[in-house]
Amino acid sequence: AQSVTQPDIHITVSEGASLELRCNYSYGATPYLFWYVQSPGQGLQLLLKYFSGDTLVQGIKGFEAEFKRSQSSFNLRKPSVHWSDAAEYFCASFTGGGNKLTFGTGTQLKVEL
Amino acid sequence: KAGVTQTPRYLIKTRGQQVTLSCSPISGHRSVSWYQQTPGQGLQFLFEYFSETQRNKGNFPGRFSGRQFSNSRSEMNVSTLELGDSALYLCASKSGGANEQYFGPGTRLTVT
Repeated sequence: AQSVTQPDIHITVSEGASLELRCNYSYGATPYLFWYVQSPGQGLQLLLKYFSGDTLVQGIKGFEAEFKRSQSSFNLRKPSVHWSDAAEYFCASFTGGGNKLTFGTGTQLKVEL
Repeated sequence: KAGVTQTPRYLIKTRGQQVTLSCSPISGHRSVSWYQQTPGQGLQFLFEYFSETQRNKGNFPGRFSGRQFSNSRSEMNVSTLELGDSALYLCASKSGGANEQYFGPGTRLTVT
């Protein structure tokens, strides 16, 4: 069965610093990969997605992610973090033919001013 | 376009009762999925509906059920509520030709 792993439960960065959130997936074929963000008490907002093609994908709010097949990873990055980026971030995947999203456990991002 | 809407946003129920949650997808989206989010289990898939038919089901007991109407609106029902059913229930919709799902704000269910 496919799975998604987010190794970091909590990450703290200073405002203006760069950010990288890790995500590893476990599946034989290339899955569809997503990053979502959730602010307290809110639903999930789609940041970006990867299906195929260019392995570096751009998303909203200045985020980008890079798909690396050799490492089974899909890490989320942002060059300069803003205090408003503090939230929980979820990596998710599904395989073609089904709409069931499998989520990682999430990474809680704290931004220090 | 309006986003996914869920009603009610908050609910408090007593053990043994039943509850119905509602989800209105983005206009034109015919696929609706439901997820349960808890601190202990994280985000788990409940089921997916497309054109009024359940296409996919997660590993939840039969107390959890759903349906979809001809206008793509969906409801989920939980019968005989247990304390462990306390969670944020999220609905997501997807258009037929796309792969990304868009989530609503969720319904926070508290079972006492």
